[in-house]
Amino acid sequence: QQPVQSPQAVILREGEDAVINCSSSKALYSVHWYRQKHGEAPVFLMILLKGGEQKGHEKISASFNEKKQQSSLYLTASQLSYSGTYFCGTEMSSGRYDQGGKLIFGQGTELSVKP
Amino acid sequence: GAGVSQSPRYKVAKRGQDVALRCDPISGHVSLFWYQQALGQGPEFLTYFQNEAQLDKSGLPSDRFFAERPEGSVSTLKIQRTQQEDSAVYLCASSLGIFPGELFFGEGSRLTVL
Repeated sequence: QQPVQSPQAVILREGEDAVINCSSSKALYSVHWYRQKHGEAPVFLMILLKGGEQKGHEKISASFNEKKQQSSLYLTASQLSYSGTYFCGTEMSSGRYDQGGKLIFGQGTELSVKP
Repeated sequence: GAGVSQSPRYKVAKRGQDVALRCDPISGHVSLFWYQQALGQGPEFLTYFQNEAQLDKSGLPSDRFFAERPEGSVSTLKIQRTQQEDSAVYLCASSLGIFPGELFFGEGSRLTVL
């Protein structure tokens, strides 16, 4: 049930681009992306709700392909501050109200941006 | 403070001891979640509250784990007879209860069981 993220780790030079993928074996209602720096709390980046929806946040954007049960996070012109571990959190499709926004997180992708 | 507050930040327990971890969510947040994060892994769902009601506890690994939120605000995660495999960071998150919505995480309580 846990979504699978790829790659597990990536090293970039400042200004380079990266793509992080998140794939689920279950039908998804929404996909959330969070970034966590070492020893800190995960911080919300964005939520994607609809198939094919793309959202942007600074130079970070994401897409959600509902049919393929996949989401991708795009980081363009990376900055040193982008370093951290990125998690996708998936919310399964369910008619039950008491799913309550429960997220199942992937294992994370560690991104290191070097000067 | 304005964010989710967790205490203690660090806890060292001897195997077999009981521990209690506290979470103070953002005021007015209806939903509260507990996650367990092992080193190098993603957060794993433990349990979820909507106000004082515990609606999902499917992620609690054993009956040694117990969570409560008696007044719909502060929550406590209690672990009885701790084992070494309980060593992890325990994250609390809260949200407004509008679904889907952003989860606001605390910095976590790092538990080390010796």
